[in-house]
Amino acid sequence: IAGITQAPTSQILAAGRRMTLRCTQDMRHNAMYWYRQDLGLGLRLIHYSNTAGTTGKGEVPDGYSVSRANTDDFPLTLASAVPSQTSVYFCASSDGADTQYFGPGTRLTVL
Amino acid sequence: GQQVMQIPQYQHVQEGEDFTTYCNSSTTLSNIQWYKQRPGGHPVFLIQLVKSGEVKKQKRLTFQFGEAKKNSSLHITATQTTDVGTYFCAGKGSARQLTFGSGTQLTVLP
Repeated sequence: IAGITQAPTSQILAAGRRMTLRCTQDMRHNAMYWYRQDLGLGLRLIHYSNTAGTTGKGEVPDGYSVSRANTDDFPLTLASAVPSQTSVYFCASSDGADTQYFGPGTRLTVL
Repeated sequence: GQQVMQIPQYQHVQEGEDFTTYCNSSTTLSNIQWYKQRPGGHPVFLIQLVKSGEVKKQKRLTFQFGEAKKNSSLHITATQTTDVGTYFCAGKGSARQLTFGSGTQLTVLP
């Protein structure tokens, strides 16, 4: 049982390029989330999905998009990356009790 | 919007000393959760508090939820090197999503 997997582990990206961060869970959780973690700012919610087929905007959604075609997958896309999107990105899923289970993270550097 | 403040941002303690981190919300919370993130790792759920004035213990860790359900604390007794990491609180208020505090990074000196 893997829980939540994220890919890639790390990536260096040129500004202006498009990038999709992948997230897959095998726990059949309905809710999934994308956070970015920056030093001193904690975890900030980018987008979320309460169930397959629905998505919502979090605290810092600009420059990011998500889709939720099925229960297991929740990809995050940066349409045109900018240096301020350099961060560590965590995907998480949640059971009915609100507990969130995090993936190992993707470290993204935009040059 | 809902804000969750956490202090201190950093704490260095000698092994065996106690440690406390505090969390304050701008709004009343329905519940508060605590997570621990080891260096280079991902956040891992520790506990959830729901009731006003609730106190829960996990071995050397004591978690409290304030009477007004707007603040919380995590206290570690007699820290060990295995306690090293960043501790986050996360509150759920009127917004349906959790709001995380900025975290307290704990360093334990042997």
